[in-house]
Amino acid sequence: ILNVEQSPQSLHVQEGDSTNFTCSFPSSNFYALHWYRWETAKSPEALFVMTLNGDEKKKGRISATLNTKEGYSYLYIKGSQPEDSATYLCCSGAGSYQLTFGKGTKLSVIP
Amino acid sequence: SAVISQKPSRDICQRGTSLTIQCQVDSQVTMMFWYRQQPGQSLTLIATANQGSEATYESGFVIDKFPISRPNLTFSTLTVSNMSPEDSSIYLCSVVPGLAGSPTYEQYFGPGTRLTVT
Repeated sequence: ILNVEQSPQSLHVQEGDSTNFTCSFPSSNFYALHWYRWETAKSPEALFVMTLNGDEKKKGRISATLNTKEGYSYLYIKGSQPEDSATYLCCSGAGSYQLTFGKGTKLSVIP
Repeated sequence: SAVISQKPSRDICQRGTSLTIQCQVDSQVTMMFWYRQQPGQSLTLIATANQGSEATYESGFVIDKFPISRPNLTFSTLTVSNMSPEDSSIYLCSVVPGLAGSPTYEQYFGPGTRLTVT
């Protein structure tokens, strides 16, 4: 994998459903994996930064895992709420602060 | 953390003109970057804004098209020169909080400047 790939590109879920997204990244020269939440006209909000294989982070109903050996990360949202609607960005830093981003997963939570 | 503001928040410009985008941070930082997101594409790094020296540009981006200033540790500008419709994008600045040697992987982003070129 040469680029950071995110799937799905977009999804719609009902309020209360749980969901998850995937991020694939180059496992060579890995430095850190970031997840951001981006709402229109606002700053991307940093959710998690993970650096070690097996890392798991949690913030409220949102959690993330990291597998650096196979080059993937999952983001989980439990009991989705309308305010979770946003684009979720994954990015990888390879040995430096310059980040390579995926195209994002656009989540719409239907009340 | 760091609080970042950008001006303007959005603009509609005619082709052939130039626009300068400002980025202000509420604390001194060493590392500051400029990104853009073209419609349907990933956020892409344009350059690293270096205080006191020329910016470091990524492949595909040149100083004549995207001149950058970094007069101090809290402020930077990005100019989009001789604009064409392909320059229509969201432009964001980002910072790594703290000064050189700060042990953090975190990056914070501004709210972006939405540029439309007609």
